[in-house]
Amino acid sequence: EAGVTQFPSHSVIEKGQTVTLRCDPISGHDNLYWYRRVMGKEIKFLLHFVKESKQDESGMPNNRFLAERTGGTYSTLKVQPAELEDSGVYFCASSQLLGGYNEQFFGPGTRLTVL
Amino acid sequence: AQSVTQLDSQVPVFEEAPVELRCNYSSSVSVYLFWYVQYPNQGLQLLLKYLSGSTLVESINGFEAEFNKSQTSFHLRKPSVHISDTAEYFCAVSVIQGGKLIFGQGTELSVKP
Repeated sequence: EAGVTQFPSHSVIEKGQTVTLRCDPISGHDNLYWYRRVMGKEIKFLLHFVKESKQDESGMPNNRFLAERTGGTYSTLKVQPAELEDSGVYFCASSQLLGGYNEQFFGPGTRLTVL
Repeated sequence: AQSVTQLDSQVPVFEEAPVELRCNYSSSVSVYLFWYVQYPNQGLQLLLKYLSGSTLVESINGFEAEFNKSQTSFHLRKPSVHISDTAEYFCAVSVIQGGKLIFGQGTELSVKP
């Protein structure tokens, strides 16, 4: 069974440009999470989808970030326009939607560098 | 609000030595506790978790962690480390099952021969 995949693995863009990150969760996982790690700091939660609905978007830093999950399958995270402080590693995770505890499985991350 | 503090950013040890990676958390409500590991060039993997019951939890590769409610700690220990344990380790909490994870800053464990 394929794990969580993320594309691209690396992205280098200029300040002011737009970048779109993609996450494909494990098949059948209704929960999808985005996290970000800025250099040298902790991994921070961005938002949580349950199927196609945003369950919790309390971690989204500002309105330059737009996350979508049309159809409840893969998700995209768009940064427009990108700023220098957006550089970091963006992780996606997914889990099942069952009663009780469901492990979050993480993708390898997308390393974003804004110059 | 919840927060997690990992007191050591880097821990260098020699192979076969014991190791302890420290984690303290702050929360006004009950939490679930986790340790994740990130090996070089890989994603995060769950190492072990505390949800309820016995306060001592173990992983399949010899790590253990003990939930100490009075000290709000969840330190990770291994009696004898291997080169292959070299990785970054993250302590995390969540307040609801299925909810967001709140991570500490990470501890880089470097095992030397």
